[in-house]
Amino acid sequence: SQTIHQWPATLVQPVGSPLSLECTVEGTSNPNLYWYRQAAGRGLQLLFYSVGIGQISSEVPQNLSASRPQDRQFILSSKKLLLSDSGFYLCAWKGEGGATYNEQFFGPGTRLTVL
Amino acid sequence: GQNIDQPTEMTATEGAIVQINCTYQTSGFNGLFWYQQHAAEAPTFLSYNVLDGLEEKGRFSSFLSRSKGYSYLLLKELQMKDSASYLCAVRGPGAGSYQLTFGKGTKLSVIP
Repeated sequence: SQTIHQWPATLVQPVGSPLSLECTVEGTSNPNLYWYRQAAGRGLQLLFYSVGIGQISSEVPQNLSASRPQDRQFILSSKKLLLSDSGFYLCAWKGEGGATYNEQFFGPGTRLTVL
Repeated sequence: GQNIDQPTEMTATEGAIVQINCTYQTSGFNGLFWYQQHAAEAPTFLSYNVLDGLEEKGRFSSFLSRSKGYSYLLLKELQMKDSASYLCAVRGPGAGSYQLTFGKGTKLSVIP
């Protein structure tokens, strides 16, 4: 069965510090991968998605970036965090074939607080 | 672009039925999803509609009208554990697009 991991689970960082969040998927190959952010009082916002290694599409201009160095690894980064980067960061995947309704499956999330 | 509207909060009584509405205006449509999200947890998939009509899955049902840009999630025999946020999401245009645009979610509180 497929599983998705995210770490860390929680993170408190000062403004201006760098960020690296990691997401890995097991039990599937060549998945579509997604990064979302859920800020307080707002809906899930798609930040980046990737259809393959080295292929990244950005949905929202911001001080964040994403990379996909391996097929089942997706990394979200920032060089300098802003207060507005606080939120719940969720990684999701959609497998190639086998997914009944093409739904996306979410990881456990990382709760980031920028102080 | 995509615009999705759903009520911010709802309250219902244990054992009752509740209907959560979702309206959308999109430049393309390839299906509508409902997700459940408990506090501080990741969303979990509930249902998917791509054709008009009602899809039933146990205590949960979801309805879609593409001509009206409207969907609802129906929860029957409410239980306390159903207290959660319910997210409506629309899949973007294009056969190869698996991008989802989410509404802000409806926070449902089930009271005894």
